[in-house]
Amino acid sequence: SQQGEEDPQALSIQEGENATMNCSYKTSINNLQWYRQNSGRGLVHLILIRSNEREKHSGRLRVTLDTSKKSSSLLITASRAADTASYFCATGSYSTLTFGKGTMLLVSP
Amino acid sequence: EPEVTQTPSHQVTQMGQEVILRCVPISNHLYFYWYRQILGQKVEFLVSFYNNEISEKSEIFDDQFSVERPDGSNFTLKIRSTKLEDSAMYFCASSGREPLFFGSGTQLSVL
Repeated sequence: SQQGEEDPQALSIQEGENATMNCSYKTSINNLQWYRQNSGRGLVHLILIRSNEREKHSGRLRVTLDTSKKSSSLLITASRAADTASYFCATGSYSTLTFGKGTMLLVSP
Repeated sequence: EPEVTQTPSHQVTQMGQEVILRCVPISNHLYFYWYRQILGQKVEFLVSFYNNEISEKSEIFDDQFSVERPDGSNFTLKIRSTKLEDSAMYFCASSGREPLFFGSGTQLSVL
């Protein structure tokens, strides 16, 4: 089945630094999505990148997709304490998303 | 900004009891979903619902589970006879097409 797996599992940085999270998946995709989850809260959609796109930006977020390597990366620039959360990549059809275990990001002031 | 709302935020129940988790999707969305996340594990797909019927369901979604859209606004997940392993955070989501918009979840604890 299509499956996103993120690495690292946990990432701890200082405010102002950049954070990079990676996601690998196993089968062909139409798109890949990144979600954020604050502790005990729901999933918030961050960005969707289609299989024919290589890079996409949204504010301080930059997502890349390499379909030949079946991998994606999420870069958060100039991180803030409020970026502390778990970040998940998700693949699959619009009705059935498969999530990875996530990267837990801690941004210290 | 429109959002998916879920009630209750926490539900504690005894094993074998029935529970109903409630969701109000975003009003102009046509696709509805339930996902769950067992503590420390991945978010897992349970079921999708479109045009008043289930469009897809996972292996987790067995006969103990059912979904309903009883009126024009609510979308419910019923677990007929809860088991200890049903303890999880249950997320409702809705979409027009993509992406999915998730609610804040209902934390279900089965004792």
